Amino acid sequence: GQQVMQIPQYQHVQEGEDFTTYCNSSTTLSNIQWYKQRPGGHPVFLIQLVKSGEVKKQKRLTFQFGEAKKNSSLHITATQTTDVGTYFCAGQNRGSTLGRLYFGRGTQLTVWP
Amino acid sequence: GAGVSQSPRYKVAKRGQDVALRCDPISGHVSLFWYQQALGQGPEFLTYFQNEAQLDKSGLPSDRFFAERPEGSVSTLKIQRTQQEDSAVYLCASSQAEEGYEQYFGPGTRLTVT
Repeated sequence: GQQVMQIPQYQHVQEGEDFTTYCNSSTTLSNIQWYKQRPGGHPVFLIQLVKSGEVKKQKRLTFQFGEAKKNSSLHITATQTTDVGTYFCAGQNRGSTLGRLYFGRGTQLTVWP
Repeated sequence: GAGVSQSPRYKVAKRGQDVALRCDPISGHVSLFWYQQALGQGPEFLTYFQNEAQLDKSGLPSDRFFAERPEGSVSTLKIQRTQQEDSAVYLCASSQAEEGYEQYFGPGTRLTVT
């Protein structure tokens, strides 16, 4: 079955350092979404990437979708304590139930001041 | 407007008890999803509704799990004869349509089976 792998599982950084999480799918995706889950909270949508090679930016966050539409990354520049949480990538695949999200395991980001 | 709501937020059940978890999606959202999230893991798909039709229930772990959305709005996930391995957070999400739309998640129901 389809699998979405995400690394690293944990990342501890000092405030001001950069952070990157990587996501890889076993199959080609129709799109990939990124969600953030704060401790004790629920996943909150950040962004969606659809096109091969697409790059999108949200302030200090940069999202990339690979050329083969099988991998993606999220890069945060100059982390802040407000960035703390778990970041999930989640892919959608036209070959399966439309809309079903295949989540990675997530990268738990800790930022110390 | 209001987001997705779920109730109860916390549920403790003794092994063997039946539980019912409720989800109120965002008004007008056609698609509704249930996910199960174990500690330290990403959400795992359970089932999907398009309006009142359950189009995919392939993620339900066993026949003890049953979901419905009879009028195309509120949905209930029922677990019969709960087992310890059912302990998890159950997340409901709704979206305007299926593919290509963001999913809005509810706060989840944390189920603990003792």
